[in-house]
Amino acid sequence: GAVVSQHPSRVICKSGTSVKIECRSLDFQATTMFWYRQFPKQSLMLMATSNEGSKATYEQGVEKDKFLINHASLTLSTLTVTSAHPEDSSFYICSARFIAGGPQETQYFGPGTRLLVL
Amino acid sequence: GENVEQHPSTLSVQEGDSAVIKCTYSDSASNYFPWYKQELGKRPQLIIDIRSNVGEKKDQRIAVTLNKTAKHFSLHITETQPEDSAVYFCAATGRRALTFGSGTRLQVQP
Repeated sequence: GAVVSQHPSRVICKSGTSVKIECRSLDFQATTMFWYRQFPKQSLMLMATSNEGSKATYEQGVEKDKFLINHASLTLSTLTVTSAHPEDSSFYICSARFIAGGPQETQYFGPGTRLLVL
Repeated sequence: GENVEQHPSTLSVQEGDSAVIKCTYSDSASNYFPWYKQELGKRPQLIIDIRSNVGEKKDQRIAVTLNKTAKHFSLHITETQPEDSAVYFCAATGRRALTFGSGTRLQVQP
């Protein structure tokens, strides 16, 4: 089956520092990956769509200069939270979509990264 | 854009009873409707999905129905078990990212 990994699983950092989160599709290629944020007891909210080889598309209200996304290859997308603040503390989850060999709509989620900014 | 509404927000049932969760969507172009189960602190797990060319799909104790005209779809869990307790999310999409419902916390009482 499709496997998506995320690293790190948990990170604690001081306010003002930057944090990089990696999302990898392990056994398939994905031209598109998605980054979601989930606050406690809330739903998943799409932050941005990451396209291999091109700029990410950000959802309304998400600052592209604060949440830097790089999709350097068909198996790796990174999200960097720059100058993190306590309000950025959340559960960040990526997902990847098949490009071949399966329904194109199906998305598979990474295990998530819990970020705590002190 | 797409807007997905989900009800109820919480649902408590006795073990063995059925549970039904309902969602509505706004974008008539949406054609793919997955359901995810999320346990605390873990990733959402796809449990069943349905496409717009199908009205109903079943997988053991889980079934999903879709009414395209009314733009609503539902998840049905029969013979519920304590391990079914989790948060369930519906979602809808055309060719873009998934838009999620607000979630339903299902509690199955032994």
